[in-house]
Amino acid sequence: DQQVKQNSPSLSVQEGRISILNCDYTNSMFDYFLWYKKYPAEGPTFLISISSIKDKNEDGRFTVFLNKSAKHLSLHIVPSQPGDSAVYFCAVGSQGNLIFGKGTKLSVKP
Amino acid sequence: AAGVIQSPRHLIKEKRETATLKCYPIPRHDTVYWYQQGPGQDPQFLISFYEKMQSDKGSIPDRFSAQQFSDYHSELNMSSLELGDSALYFCASSSRMVGTYEQYFGPGTRLTVT
Repeated sequence: DQQVKQNSPSLSVQEGRISILNCDYTNSMFDYFLWYKKYPAEGPTFLISISSIKDKNEDGRFTVFLNKSAKHLSLHIVPSQPGDSAVYFCAVGSQGNLIFGKGTKLSVKP
Repeated sequence: AAGVIQSPRHLIKEKRETATLKCYPIPRHDTVYWYQQGPGQDPQFLISFYEKMQSDKGSIPDRFSAQQFSDYHSELNMSSLELGDSALYFCASSSRMVGTYEQYFGPGTRLTVT
């Protein structure tokens, strides 16, 4: 059974608007959470992370929210830009290795 | 800034052959992870090393082995290759000394088994 779920395989957003990508996890023992961006034929690029002691972390246009009681995290990108178009993976971990969701393909249209 | 280096970038092998993938972590990173990503799949954790010792093991087949050397580079050895081993293999590195948990990924090695 999947421990990390990204239920939306794709998302299309207009340039300048907000993109919200969601991720759910099953194990409350996970204590750090990351978002990666991936282009085809390239390795995942680290975007932003949050530890379990926080509920929000912001870095420029990217904000990650963590709701531990709901075992849910989300990535907000605002304003969205065409260059943000990529596959976004959430990843969770507790002692080193990461468990990835299946990714959400974000398309930002000009 | 220096990134994770993987070689080769592309590799074509036949069934039952062996392959060796190399990974050079970011300087001063002490932990290396290997992941396998099949077509349309998410990256799956294989194995990790911290300070040259295996630290965690995931879904790595018995036909595969890996090690981390004194200069912190790592090699993934794959024997008796099967068609299903065709995938992107990523190496990632992190630094436990810094106290963060972000893993930085290399560009990957695309292995094709024919």
